[in-house]
Amino acid sequence: AQKVTQAQTEISVVEKEDVTLDCVYETRDTTYYLFWYKQPPSGELVFLIRRNSFDEQNEISGRYSWNFQKSTSSFNFTITASQVVDSAVYFCALRSGGSYIPTFGRGTSLIVHP
Amino acid sequence: NAGVTQTPKFRVLKTGQSMTLLCAQDMNHEYMYWYRQDPGMGLRLIHYSVGEGTTAKGEVPDGYNVSRLKKQNFLLGLESAAPSQTSVYFCASSYSSTEAFFGQGTRLTVV
Repeated sequence: AQKVTQAQTEISVVEKEDVTLDCVYETRDTTYYLFWYKQPPSGELVFLIRRNSFDEQNEISGRYSWNFQKSTSSFNFTITASQVVDSAVYFCALRSGGSYIPTFGRGTSLIVHP
Repeated sequence: NAGVTQTPKFRVLKTGQSMTLLCAQDMNHEYMYWYRQDPGMGLRLIHYSVGEGTTAKGEVPDGYNVSRLKKQNFLLGLESAAPSQTSVYFCASSYSSTEAFFGQGTRLTVV
């Protein structure tokens, strides 16, 4: 079985603040894939990043960074100097090596106030 | 490339009516999925397919049927719509280990 927990239902910040979205996952497989998606108010789901279980390197892309820690089964997402355009629902997802199915967390709604 | 295309984008049904949602992908993906999204519930898998001619049940399959007669198409049917099926429906496709690509969603209201 695989499970993704996003404990933060909603986060509200003021523009230029840094914000971290938490994602904790559960799987028995040693090979798995983790993903983050963004769903802006327009409703579409936009893929942000994929991380393989055998690659624990953190990644930075502009204002976005991801911290993958197998020891704590976490794949957290940080937005530096948040902007109003970052307001969206963010989903973390997991696909275990033996599964065809990506399992999604319930999402974290990020509201960035000007 | 169109990616994943869902039709229709919006629909209002009366209780008991039937309808079919169409999903088409042009990326030659083997895997296709139907999810529903409800407030506070995230994305819940309805049915999925691992290849042409195959389908399987997901987390919330009751009240829905699917078919994958062609690799590029994955149809979701509601035989007798109920108000509990009011939701936003997303189709997605992927390769075995890659990210899923999503359609733009279908907002369905059952009155």
